[in-house]
Amino acid sequence: AQSVTQLGSHVSVSEGALVLLRCNYSSSVPPYLFWYVQYPNQGLQLLLKYTSAATLVKGINGFEAEFKKSETSFHLTKPSAHMSDAAEYFCAVSAYGQNFVFGPGTRLSVLP
Amino acid sequence: DAMVIQNPRYQVTQFGKPVTLSCSQTLNHNVMYWYQQKSSQAPKLLFHYYDKDFNNEADTPDNFQSRRPNTSFCFLDIRSPGLGDAAMYLCATSRTGAKNIQYFGAGTRLSVL
Repeated sequence: AQSVTQLGSHVSVSEGALVLLRCNYSSSVPPYLFWYVQYPNQGLQLLLKYTSAATLVKGINGFEAEFKKSETSFHLTKPSAHMSDAAEYFCAVSAYGQNFVFGPGTRLSVLP
Repeated sequence: DAMVIQNPRYQVTQFGKPVTLSCSQTLNHNVMYWYQQKSSQAPKLLFHYYDKDFNNEADTPDNFQSRRPNTSFCFLDIRSPGLGDAAMYLCATSRTGAKNIQYFGAGTRLSVL
């Protein structure tokens, strides 16, 4: 069975500050890992993915994440927050032949 | 050039009145999913089609049904909506062998009066 935890249901940062959203997973098989962003009343947009290639993954809008097997983590970072980054962020785990398991989500607020 | 299109974006129905939500895709993906998302929660998988094969999640209520008449279209039917069915409904697609990456539509927000 697979599971995902996201530490912090709500994270606030100042504009220009580092964004760090935490994701830890559990999987009995090699995982695929994803970060999705959701703006109000919108669907989920893929930010980035880890599918067993490079462990440091770069995505859209300046986000990146690093897969750390020893820590079972896939934290999302962005060096400098922008007001437009305010949204809900979901981490998800999957594997070959498996459906997605989503984390509970982290709401990011960006303060001026 | 939207790839997964959901109609309508907002749907209002009455308690007990059947409603159908629509999803179409231009990606030619063989797998299509329906999720229910309630406020401040993660999406919850209701069911998915692998080609024409229907796969229902164990805890999906019988009130929810789905049809996939062809590769491009998939419908979610709620036979007798209750107040607890008010939610955002998300359609997603993926392709076998493509690392399970799912592409989502913009969603349909359902209100039940």
